[in-house]
Amino acid sequence: KQEVTQIPAALSVPEGENLVLNCSFTDSAIYNLQWFRQDPGKGLTSLLLIQSSQREQTSGRLNASLDKSSGRSTLYIAASQPGDSATYLCAVGSGTYKYIFGTGTRLKVLA
Amino acid sequence: DAMVIQNPRYQVTQFGKPVTLSCSQTLNHNVMYWYQQKSSQAPKLLFHYYDKDFNNEADTPDNFQSRRPNTSFCFLDIRSPGLGDAAMYLCATSADSPLGYTFGSGTRLTVV
Repeated sequence: KQEVTQIPAALSVPEGENLVLNCSFTDSAIYNLQWFRQDPGKGLTSLLLIQSSQREQTSGRLNASLDKSSGRSTLYIAASQPGDSATYLCAVGSGTYKYIFGTGTRLKVLA
Repeated sequence: DAMVIQNPRYQVTQFGKPVTLSCSQTLNHNVMYWYQQKSSQAPKLLFHYYDKDFNNEADTPDNFQSRRPNTSFCFLDIRSPGLGDAAMYLCATSADSPLGYTFGSGTRLTVV
């Protein structure tokens, strides 16, 4: 059974710092991995999608990497801003059409 | 813009009174999902439709039902809401091949 873990559970950094969020999964047989952002009381906004054949994806200040063999993905945020404060969730596409979510990392960027 | 729309954004229902949440999409995606997310927890898949083919998760309570009358719409019915069913309910869609999810904004359900 696929299990997804995100570390740390919460993170507080000063504005301008580069930071890395981690996601690990137990079964390397995945279709893809998607990173989401969730603001308090809101739905999920897709940030980056990495297919199983890819090693990384980039969008603006965000870069996500995937290492299937080690069961890990990282989300790198460059030059963090207060507007980046949110919960970041990774979801692993494991099994037909089904995503398994991690519990998220709550990020707070201090001005 | 193509999107996933959930209505209502906030729903208050009485203990034991049936409630229906709705989701519509303009993406023409084959697959639609319902997730339940409780405070500070990961979203939990309740069920999904591949076209009209309904797929229930093994641990989804019988109290939760779903309908998909056409490609664009999907409904979540909670037959007898309990206090423990208070949560954010998230609808998502994906295309036939695993190209990632698109989520709606969610419905926050309160049970009083």
